[in-house]
Amino acid sequence: GESVGLHLPTLSVQEGDNSIINCAYSNSASDYFIWYKQESGKGPQFIIDIRSNMDKRQGQRVTVLLNKTVKHLSLQIAATQPGDSAVYFCAETPVTGGGADGLTFGKGTHLIIQP
Amino acid sequence: DAGVIQSPRHEVTEMGQEVTLRCKPISGHDYLFWYRQTMMRGLELLIYFNNNVPIDDSGMPEDRFSAKMPNASFSTLKIQPSEPRDSAVYFCASSLGGYNEQFFGPGTRLTVL
Repeated sequence: GESVGLHLPTLSVQEGDNSIINCAYSNSASDYFIWYKQESGKGPQFIIDIRSNMDKRQGQRVTVLLNKTVKHLSLQIAATQPGDSAVYFCAETPVTGGGADGLTFGKGTHLIIQP
Repeated sequence: DAGVIQSPRHEVTEMGQEVTLRCKPISGHDYLFWYRQTMMRGLELLIYFNNNVPIDDSGMPEDRFSAKMPNASFSTLKIQPSEPRDSAVYFCASSLGGYNEQFFGPGTRLTVL
C-alpha cells in the first residue's frame, strides 16, 4: 500500500503546553485512522481513532483532526504532562468489503516534554 | 484480562537457526496481527488472521517466514533459517472486529548474530 509518513521526527514542548503532532497520508482510499503511543520497551498503545466520515474527534486531553482534502491528520494533546513522552505513530487502513486490513504505520514522532 | 502475551521477550540466536515466536491474543478477539519494527523501516504488517484463517500474508518478507494459528488462543511466527537482517522487535496484536482498536503485546526482541 501507499505510505503514511510524519512531518517531524522529534517534537519538544514545555510541560503544560499543548502539543500538535502531524501526519500526512497518501492513500486516498484510507478510511480509518488511528494514533498510537509507544513508550520505550513497550508495544504501541491505542490513543484515539477516527473514521473518514468525521473531521474531528475528541478524547480525554486528546483531539484528532482529519483533513481529507489535503490528506492530513493531526493529534493534539492538551496540557502536556511528563507521562506523554513517547513516540507517536499515525496509522491508516482502508475499509474494504466488511473485512479488515492491517495497519500501515508512519515512521513516528518522538515527543519530548521539557520541565 | 492479561492482554496480549508474547514469548519469549528476548531471543538471541545464530544465523541459520530456526526461531519460533509465540503469541496468545486477548480472549474473544477474532483478529490477530503480526508486525515487525525496525529503526529503518518502522512498524510493518507481516500477516494477519481472522478466525484463525490467514487473510493477508503479503507483508511476509520471504519464504523463510511462516505463521500459523492452530486455534483461537495461539499463534506462532517462525523464521527458518534466520538471518542477521531479521533482527527486529516482533509484535503481535489482536482486535475484536477488523476496524477496531488493536491491542499490542510487549513484543519479542530478536537478535540474529
